[in-house]
This record gives sequence, C-alpha cells and structure tokens, in this order.
Amino acid sequence: GAVVSQHPSWVICKSGTSVKIECRSLDFQATTMFWYRQFPKQSLMLMATSNEGSKATYEQGVEKDKFLINHASLTLSTLTVTSAHPEDSSFYICSASGGLAVTYNEQFFGPGTRLTVL
Amino acid sequence: AQSVAQPEDQVNVAEGNPLTVKCTYSVSGNPYLFWYVQYPNRGLQFLLKYITGDNLVKGSYGFEAEFNKSQTSFHLKKPSALVSDSALYFCAVRDRNTGGFKTIFGAGTRLFVKA
Repeated sequence: GAVVSQHPSWVICKSGTSVKIECRSLDFQATTMFWYRQFPKQSLMLMATSNEGSKATYEQGVEKDKFLINHASLTLSTLTVTSAHPEDSSFYICSASGGLAVTYNEQFFGPGTRLTVL
Repeated sequence: AQSVAQPEDQVNVAEGNPLTVKCTYSVSGNPYLFWYVQYPNRGLQFLLKYITGDNLVKGSYGFEAEFNKSQTSFHLKKPSALVSDSALYFCAVRDRNTGGFKTIFGAGTRLFVKA
C-alpha cells in the first residue's frame, strides 16, 4: 500500500517560535494533501486541503496566517505553525491522495506529529 | 452538510465475543463510507470502505461493515473480538456528488476487548 511519512514524529518548542512539519508521500504522487488536527480523545478536524502547486484551502475557523501550508511538489507538503502558543499543542496528521489512491477513492494517512508548546 | 455520528464513546466486549461499533451518517447525495482504526500516538489505518456494489464490505483484520441506505448506517462488526483489537475507531463519510476528497470523521469510539 501507499506510504505517507511525517517528520518529526514529535516536537517540543517554546512559545513564540515556529515549527515546521513535513508530510511526504513515499511511493506515489500526491496531487492532494490534507492536514488534520486531533485533540486528545477527540476526532480529526480537517484544517486545510492543498493541491500541488496551488494555495491551500482552509476550513472555516482555521487561521491561514498561523498555519502556513506549502505543497510545492507532488511528494511533499509542509505545515508551519507560526508563533506557536500552548493552545496549539496537538496531534497533527496529514493524509495524501493521488494516482492509484484516486482510483480507489482512498487517502493515506501519515503517522502524525505530536506538537507540545511550552 | 455532511455529518457522521458514532453514538458510543466506548464499547466493551469480551475476547471471543462478537463486536459492533455503530455509525450513522448524513450526506446530501450518495456516500463513500470508511472505517479507520487508530492506535495510541499513531496515524489512522484504513480498515474498509463502501463505494458501490455489495452492501456487506469485508476489510482488514476480519472486520466487516454493512451499508444500510434506509437507516443511513454503516456499522462495523467482527464475529470474534481479539484483545489486540482494542483501539480507537473512526467512521468517515465523503459525499461523492460534491467531488474532491473532503472527508468528515465521526468522534470516534474506543473499543476495549477484555481477555
């Protein structure tokens, strides 16, 4: 099956700093990538959808200036949390779709990145 | 608007017994339906999906789900639960008529299988 990786798997940062999370599709071209946020014991909340080479589409209530998403290539999308604050601490999960994934109506999920802002 | 309801926060079952995790959905058109499993501090793993065809869908690890259009349900089932099935399960829906891959997830149901 298709593999999606995320880096780092966990990160701790100081309040006010920026953190970049990478999402890579390892064995397929991801024309579309999604970024989700998951709070403890809660469901996934879609933050934004990004298509390769285009600006990301953000869900209502998600600050696009705070959560910068770049999808510059068919195998890489990045989420940058700018000026992070403790309330940004969460589990961030990406997913990707493209190629055969589109044919099979699937999206493949990364393992997630746990962000802790002190 | 799309929505997914998982009415049970938690399901407890003894090992070897059958399990059911409930899911109902609401979409304006015809749905694509999915089940995912999540283990602690991990991403989501795909279990099964309903796209079209047979209402009974068989997936990974012995799980199956039945699409019931009249009841707008897609309950996840397994004939004999294992302790290793203990995890968080998410039902998800996508409206095929709107296109794209925007998927809405239910709140999740935590399954505990006791030995």
